[in-house]
Amino acid sequence: AQSVTQLGSHVSVSEGALVLLRCNYSSSVPPYLFWYVQYPNQGLQLLLKYTTGATLVKGINGFEAEFKKSETSFHLTKPSAHMSDAAEYFCAVGLTGGGNKLTFGTGTQLKVEL
Amino acid sequence: GAVVSQHPSRVICKSGTSVKIECRSLDFQATTMFWYRQFPKQSLMLMATSNEGSKATYEQGVEKDKFLINHASLTLSTLTVTSAHPEDSSFYICSAAQGEGPYGYTFGSGTRLTVV
Repeated sequence: AQSVTQLGSHVSVSEGALVLLRCNYSSSVPPYLFWYVQYPNQGLQLLLKYTTGATLVKGINGFEAEFKKSETSFHLTKPSAHMSDAAEYFCAVGLTGGGNKLTFGTGTQLKVEL
Repeated sequence: GAVVSQHPSRVICKSGTSVKIECRSLDFQATTMFWYRQFPKQSLMLMATSNEGSKATYEQGVEKDKFLINHASLTLSTLTVTSAHPEDSSFYICSAAQGEGPYGYTFGSGTRLTVV
């Protein structure tokens, strides 16, 4: 079984500041890891994913995440926050041989202030 | 890129009636489609997994007779909420997977269901 923990249900940053959203996972086999963003009353949009290979993954809108196996983490970062980044962010884990199922974290609401 | 169309985006229905939500993959064939439910300010809860031509696999605690899922083709899955009650009010989201392995998931834009 796998699980995802997102520390901090709400994160507030100033525009232009670093964004750091934390995600830790638990998995008995090598995981696939994802970050999604959700705007109000909309579906989820994929920001980035880690499957195999390079552990630093770059995604859309300037976001990136690093898979750290030793820390079982996959934190999402962006060097400089924009107002348009304000949204809900979900980390998710899938398993090799897991039948395509994803397990989502509880989400982190990002607020960007002027 | 891959697009999943979910319809309707919003629906209001009376208690006791049934509501059908459609999820279509527009430019790819989806081997598997997933249905999620999301409560306000909460994460996505997987309700069921559907594969074309076979019965859906429901997660524990999800009433299969209340939430009917049909995956008639590789591009269309439907979720019917039968005999809806106010507690069924929620945001329902579908996603479609391309091929094997959790590489490509595309989400629909969601359906806000309100039962009055």
